[in-house]
Formats: sequence, C-alpha cells, structure tokens
Amino acid sequence: DIQMTQSPSSLSASVGDRVTITCRASLYISNYLTWFQQKPGKAPKSLIYAASSLQSGVPSRFSGSGSGTDFTLTISSLQPEDSATYYCQQYNSYPLTFGGGTKVEIK
Amino acid sequence: QVQLVQSGAEVKKPGASVKVSCKASGYKFTNYGITWVRQAPGQGLEWMGWISPYTDNTNFAQKFQGRVTMTTDTSTNTAYMELRSLTSDDTAMYYCAREMAVTGTDYWGQGTLVTVSS
Repeated sequence: DIQMTQSPSSLSASVGDRVTITCRASLYISNYLTWFQQKPGKAPKSLIYAASSLQSGVPSRFSGSGSGTDFTLTISSLQPEDSATYYCQQYNSYPLTFGGGTKVEIK
Repeated sequence: QVQLVQSGAEVKKPGASVKVSCKASGYKFTNYGITWVRQAPGQGLEWMGWISPYTDNTNFAQKFQGRVTMTTDTSTNTAYMELRSLTSDDTAMYYCAREMAVTGTDYWGQGTLVTVSS
C-alpha cells in the first residue's frame, strides 16, 4: 500500500498568512493526488484534484503543486472560514490512501 | 446539481450487519465509480472500497475483504455498502463519494453514522 505522510499535523496562523501543507507519498503516484477540506461535523470537500487542478467553485487562494512523491497545498491568504482539517489522498493505485490530516486553526 | 444522499443513522449490536444506501442524482450514474470511506470518532479518513456501477467491478481494502459487500442498482441510481460481523471498532461515520480515474473523488454524501453497541 502507498503511505501518505502529511505535515505538519496541526498549525496555527493568522488571517492573511500564507499557509503551506505538505504531503509525501511512499511510492511514485504521478499527479494522482487530491486535497480535501473537512470542517467539524461535515463531509470532506474536494479542493484540488490531479495535484494542481482547482475544483469548480473553490476560491483561488487555494493552490496545489507537486508530482511524483512530493506535494503541497498552499492557502495564499488565510481566511477565518479556512479553519478546518485538510487531507491529501492518492488515487494512483488501490487501495486509495489518505494522509493523516492537518488541522488548521486561526490565531 | 450532483447529489449523493445517504440513508439515516443506524444503531447495531455486535455481530450484526448494517447496510447503508447512497442515492445519486444530477449525473449519469454509470459514468462514475462510487467509493466508500469511513471515519471513526475523532480520527482520520479510511478508504473501504470502490464499485463501478457500469461493470459491477469492485476493489476493497484488505482489512474489509470478506466482511464487506458493495452493490449498485442502476434502475434507482443507488449504491449500497453492507458490512457484516460488526464490532465496536466499526462505530464510525460512513461516507459514499463519486469517483473517476482522472479527477479522483469529488462529490460526497452527507454521511451515515453507524454505532455499534451492546
């Protein structure tokens, strides 16, 4: 199985800050990576697919980059509504696997 | 608009089975796979398996092999996930989601809480 390692596991940042979350795959996954946002009591929401493609309706302050084994989710200017847990998931091969999550809090 | 609507919360006793439904609308059901993911209280996301409504092909996480069944009914655009021999460790929110090979998992159901308790 492909292991997905996310870092950090949590972070606290101020409104307007640039925030970066990383995800590393244990094997090569090309660009088959999705980033999800999950707020408490809600289903996950897809933000980015194919490592860098923005899902329809997602604010442009979210961006993704990377290919192969190393990936990054960036929030260019953190907003209060971005307080959530973020997960990466590889869909290069079964079983699909998720990172452990990064909890983003607003200072 | 794309919607996945899941069945309601369930309370089951250890050893029982649960069957969760996921009704899709707003897109051609057979053009996308359905993936099932669960999340134990306070924990991360765990992929359980996938089914193609077009071919009925399935792929399951090894830990659920032999204990899970995934089916679809194309006449009602509904997917089902049945989990057997429940234990307290199966207490979780269960989600269905739409999946395509190129774009990954995009739309999610609202979740179904399954509680296993004696």
